[in-house]
Amino acid sequence: KNQVEQSPQSLIILEGKNCTLQCNYTVTPFSNLRWYKQDTGRGPVSLTIMTFSENTKSNGRYTATLDADTKQSSLHITASQLSDSASYICVVSAKSSYKLIFGSGTRLLVRP
Amino acid sequence: SQTIHQWPATLVQPVGSPLSLECTVEGTSNPNLYWYRQAAGRGLQLLFYSVGIGQISSEVPQNLSASRPQDRQFILSSKKLLLSDSGFYLCAWSDGEAGELFFGEGSRLTVL
Repeated sequence: KNQVEQSPQSLIILEGKNCTLQCNYTVTPFSNLRWYKQDTGRGPVSLTIMTFSENTKSNGRYTATLDADTKQSSLHITASQLSDSASYICVVSAKSSYKLIFGSGTRLLVRP
Repeated sequence: SQTIHQWPATLVQPVGSPLSLECTVEGTSNPNLYWYRQAAGRGLQLLFYSVGIGQISSEVPQNLSASRPQDRQFILSSKKLLLSDSGFYLCAWSDGEAGELFFGEGSRLTVL
């Protein structure tokens, strides 16, 4: 069964600290993996999209990694800011399918 | 540039009343259109998918329906709402199956 699991479920960090969010998936055949940021009550916004051949991709203070062998991805946030408080959702796409498999997200709270 | 508009942003409806949520996309043609529902603390659930005018694929049996009367218009409807229809509804579009997914701002529906 195609699944995407994220950890931790929630995380609280102090402003300025780094953090890493995890995503494990069992989607086959794999097409791409995406990380989205969703502010409370808003639609998700894309941070990165990674294909099989990409190991690392950065978007400002966000760096995503992908290990297609172990089927794991991580999202590293550097020097966190209060505006980073949001849910971060991992989404995996299978080849030849319009269906995206969504993780349930990691809720991040950055405190001053 | 492409934009996606979704309305209303919030809606409070009594059980048994009808529903109509509307979504329009600007700046692109023949987009793939999606309706998702997000329950609190859970991943997004695909409700409907459309690759063209009048072409609707339903993912989950329910009392909701979708229509695509124009190329860039997607409507989510119900004749009689149930309590379980409460949730956060998101419209999205993509350029092809593997394309990036762009979300609207969401519609919060509360059925009382």
